[in-house]
Amino acid sequence: GAGVSQTPSNKVTEKGKYVELRCDPISGHTALYWYRQSLGQGPEFLIYFQGTGAADDSGLPNDRFFAVRPEGSVSTLKIQRTERGDSAVYLCASSPAPGTTGELFFGEGSRLTVL
Amino acid sequence: QQQVKQSPQSLIVQKGGISIINCAYENTAFDYFPWYQQFPGKGPALLIAIRPDVSEKKEGRFTISFNKSAKQFSLHIMDSQPGDSATYFCAASYQGGSEKLVFGKGTKLTVNP
Repeated sequence: GAGVSQTPSNKVTEKGKYVELRCDPISGHTALYWYRQSLGQGPEFLIYFQGTGAADDSGLPNDRFFAVRPEGSVSTLKIQRTERGDSAVYLCASSPAPGTTGELFFGEGSRLTVL
Repeated sequence: QQQVKQSPQSLIVQKGGISIINCAYENTAFDYFPWYQQFPGKGPALLIAIRPDVSEKKEGRFTISFNKSAKQFSLHIMDSQPGDSATYFCAASYQGGSEKLVFGKGTKLTVNP
């Protein structure tokens, strides 16, 4: 498919464990975003990449959260020492270039459950 | 601080009726106001968007009304259909080089046949 791909679609882990969530953006999209969506809430911004660098990581809740995009395409969101409050759907989105159309193309998300 | 306030939280309309969802924002630097539609188990998808240089934008059955002085905007869905049943999010951003969107909390719309 040509859309944003996220894996895994579901992840169940135990408190204190480490998890990685992967995002494969639409080919050619230079901007990549991570959002977190808690139950019954709107998506909440976490981090934005332009190319390989994190242009804005102001939404990361604490230093347990980290994201990389080493080659300017696929991105991985990493969560250390998971807590029950981290349970949410983690959405990845991409766009062709910042400040152009304004549209974000979202993946279907990775649902994280921390027991 | 919630920068975009959305109401109602849920909405039930009959097929053929008009659905109206309202949003208010606080940051006057915002200059892009999209509405996203989300079906269960899917990611949000752009429905329609407006910039503050116009007061209204219409695309098919969907219309955004924008009131810059009141810092409010709304989505109107005409002739609502059961297939429109979804959660709708308003959002806002300032186009300073990114599409960093601030979302409302969402409105769950149910259109009864």
